[in-house]
Amino acid sequence: EPEVTQTPSHQVTQMGQEVILRCVPISNHLYFYWYRQILGQKVEFLVSFYNNEISEKSEIFDDQFSVERPDGSNFTLKIRSTKLEDSAMYFCASRRTRDTEAFFGQGTRLTVV
Amino acid sequence: AQTVTQSQPEMSVQEAETVTLSCTYDTSENNYYLFWYKQPPSRQMILVIRQEAYKQQNATENRFSVNFQKAAKSFSLKISDSQLGDTAMYFCAIITGNQFYFGTGTSLTVIP
Repeated sequence: EPEVTQTPSHQVTQMGQEVILRCVPISNHLYFYWYRQILGQKVEFLVSFYNNEISEKSEIFDDQFSVERPDGSNFTLKIRSTKLEDSAMYFCASRRTRDTEAFFGQGTRLTVV
Repeated sequence: AQTVTQSQPEMSVQEAETVTLSCTYDTSENNYYLFWYKQPPSRQMILVIRQEAYKQQNATENRFSVNFQKAAKSFSLKISDSQLGDTAMYFCAIITGNQFYFGTGTSLTVIP
C-alpha cells in the first residue's frame, strides 16, 4: 500500500542551525501539507502546497520557514534558524484531490537544543 | 473560520465494551468532509473513518462508526468491542477547501 515517508525520524539540532525535513508523498497525489504537533498539544497547520506553489500558510509559517518540491517527488520543509520553540513533531501529508482524505507520514521529531 | 471541539480530553473504556468520543464543529461551508484520525504512541496519524457532509448515511468501518448530525454540527465516533490496540489519541478533523482543522484530541485508554 502506498504511503507517505518522512526522513529523518528524529533530528536533533542546535538553536540557530538550519534543518531540512524531507517527505516523499504518495506518487499520484497533488496536494501536500506540513503540520506540526508540539508534545501534548494540538496538531497545527503550517502550509499547503499545490501546483508547485504555496496555496495557504498559517501564522506559524513565518520567514524562517520555506517549502520546496525540487524534483517532483520530494517535498521539503526548511527551517532557516531554529528556535527552541520549534521543537515538535512535524508531519507531512498528501492528498490526491481536494475531496479525499490526507495520508500522513510517520512524522519527524525535531529537537532543538 | 472553521473550529473543531473535542470536549473530552481523556476517556477510558473496558476491553470489549463500547465507547463514544464526541466532536462538534463549526463551519459556514456547505461542502466539507469530516474525519477521525488515530494517533497511537508511535505518533503516526492513521485515518480511522471519513464522512462526506452531503451524505446522510453514517459512515461505518468495521468496529468504528460515526453519528453524524449535520444540523447540530456533531460528529461522534463510536468504537465497539474495544481492543487494547485502540489505545491512542483520537483527533476529529474537518476539511473545507484546502486545509484540515483538527480538534485538540481525546486520549482513549482501553483497560484490560
